[in-house]
Amino acid sequence: GDSVTQMEGPVTLSEEACLTINCTYTATGYPSLFWYVQYPGEGLQLLLKATKADDKGSNKGFEATYRKETTSFHLEKGSVQVSDSAVYFCALGLNQAGTALIFGKGTTLSVSS
Amino acid sequence: NAGVTQTPKFQVLKTGQSMTLQCAQDMNHNSMYWYRQDPGMGLRLIYYSASEGTTDKGEVPNGYNVSRLNKREFSLRLESAAPSQTSVYFCASSTRGQNYEQYFGPGTRLTVT
Repeated sequence: GDSVTQMEGPVTLSEEACLTINCTYTATGYPSLFWYVQYPGEGLQLLLKATKADDKGSNKGFEATYRKETTSFHLEKGSVQVSDSAVYFCALGLNQAGTALIFGKGTTLSVSS
Repeated sequence: NAGVTQTPKFQVLKTGQSMTLQCAQDMNHNSMYWYRQDPGMGLRLIYYSASEGTTDKGEVPNGYNVSRLNKREFSLRLESAAPSQTSVYFCASSTRGQNYEQYFGPGTRLTVT
């Protein structure tokens, strides 16, 4: 069935380090892909999205490219900040009425100064 | 524009007690969802409502009931709370026009003793 697999954490980095969080998916058809971020004590917020192959989503210095050939949507940032410490969720949408997004289990990122 | 609101923010119940979690959205979205979030499990879908007047079971519906009261409101009821239902509960909504990306409420932290 349709699913999302993302790398397990926690990921611990120093400020200004490079970040990659891997996400791969299994889906039929042409899904949309999303990254959500959850800051401590808050709900999930959409960070970026891509709706078709080769699209690049970007926001707040984060980027992810929809790679259909490798069924991947890896999250990257060139220089992380302490304020980026959060849980990151990769999600897949089947673009069909009556279906919910399918989420990965989340990756905790901790950035120290 | 409040987005998705949830009440209460925190709740402590004794085993066997009942309660209703409230959710409302002001974005005129058709679809609404209830998730629970547990450590190491990511987000798991409890129930969803694709449109007003319809509800469907998600991955973990046992022990819960839902009501789509109108287009704005979607409530989650625990008829007889159990310690296994200790969790953080998130409500979300989405619309077709944005590839079904979901907007989340701030969550309800429920403890069942």
